[in-house]
Amino acid sequence: EPEVTQTPSHQVTQMGQEVILRCVPISNHLYFYWYRQILGQKVEFLVSFYNNEISEKSEIFDDQFSVERPDGSNFTLKIRSTKLEDSAMYFCASIWREPYNSPLHFGNGTRLTVT
Amino acid sequence: GDSVTQMEGPVTLSEEACLTINCTYTATGYPSLFWYVQYPGEGLQLLLKATKADDKGSNKGFEATYRKETTSFHLEKGSVQVSDSAVYFCALSDPGYSTLTFGKGTMLLVSP
Repeated sequence: EPEVTQTPSHQVTQMGQEVILRCVPISNHLYFYWYRQILGQKVEFLVSFYNNEISEKSEIFDDQFSVERPDGSNFTLKIRSTKLEDSAMYFCASIWREPYNSPLHFGNGTRLTVT
Repeated sequence: GDSVTQMEGPVTLSEEACLTINCTYTATGYPSLFWYVQYPGEGLQLLLKATKADDKGSNKGFEATYRKETTSFHLEKGSVQVSDSAVYFCALSDPGYSTLTFGKGTMLLVSP
């Protein structure tokens, strides 16, 4: 079965550094998402992306965050200048189409540790 | 805004015990409700869902019934296995939208 793949599985970075988290969604999917889970907290929606633009974003997704689909397969989340509180598990997800008639397919996540 | 509250974990059970993980929600309108499961080292996988009141979602022996009157969607299984050890997330989405609102997750540990 096709999978959403995320790399790396664990990233350690220093505060203030830029980090790029990478995702390869399922090939025929059209909608892409980033969620994150701070340890012990809820899984939170960050942003959704369709047709090469952001379709929805949460209040967490401020100017420090950006997303890009640089080619036909990758979907990236960039954090421009990481803060300690950005430490979390970041999940990428994709879906074929909206409205919700099939489940979101999630990747295994990237654990980001900011020191 | 929408929110999901689920019971704190970890829930520790012996194999073949009964499982209930409570989930309640707050939402405007009539959301769709979901249970996702995360096995160790893996991503979130949809376990079951229900899209309207009184619907029962079921999969792999797990069940949950959409109770509008109590705004609940409790996860149940009659006899758990060691392989059910995972983190279980209750979630909702507004009708017609795929963006999910999750609960904090409940870890289930099943011992032989």
